[in-house]
Amino acid sequence: DVKVTQSSRYLVKRTGEKVFLECVQDMDHENMFWYRQDPGLGLRLIYFSYDVKMKEKGDIPEGYSVSREKKERFSLILESASTNQTSMYLCASSFSGWGETQYFGPGTRLLVL
Amino acid sequence: EDKVVQSPLSLVVHEGDTVTLNCSYEVTNFRSLLWYKQEKKAPTFLFMLTSSGIEKKSGRLSSILDKKELFSILNITATQTGDSAIYLCALSRLVFGKGTRLSVIA
Repeated sequence: DVKVTQSSRYLVKRTGEKVFLECVQDMDHENMFWYRQDPGLGLRLIYFSYDVKMKEKGDIPEGYSVSREKKERFSLILESASTNQTSMYLCASSFSGWGETQYFGPGTRLLVL
Repeated sequence: EDKVVQSPLSLVVHEGDTVTLNCSYEVTNFRSLLWYKQEKKAPTFLFMLTSSGIEKKSGRLSSILDKKELFSILNITATQTGDSAIYLCALSRLVFGKGTRLSVIA
């Protein structure tokens, strides 16, 4: 069974704080993704990575950065959290290649006050 | 402008009904179209469609892709309350529709 885990299920932070969201997968997947999900907007891709130390911007990268130092771990960083970054954050992973099935983590619900 | 459009946005049916969820898209250069079911947590995978005209089935769920007309449908027959969820359509791995919220009432 593929397992994708995220470091926190719920997180409350203050405006201006630096926030780290961690994602770990145990299936040796090459690709990893960070999405945010908001009511009425669906899932939107923030960043993805297709290899260690490689990253690509998704649709909404502004205000975020990522780090992939090891194959199994993909971190999403909010350098200075803002209230409009309050959202559900979902991590996913898949084998390499286009169109491969993505496996999602349980999500982190972030509230920025 | 949205590249993947799902319809309807929301749907309420009675147990036992058959439903058809639609996904239309504009992108032509993609490898596969994927359907996901999302309940209270993260999306879970349902189908991956790569070829036009070939139906995929899993129990009461089935799906088909039409690459000529640029759409896919997800059918659920004899719906049950456990089918209540948001159904997401995605092109390859990068572009998701906004989802269809299905509510099945007893």
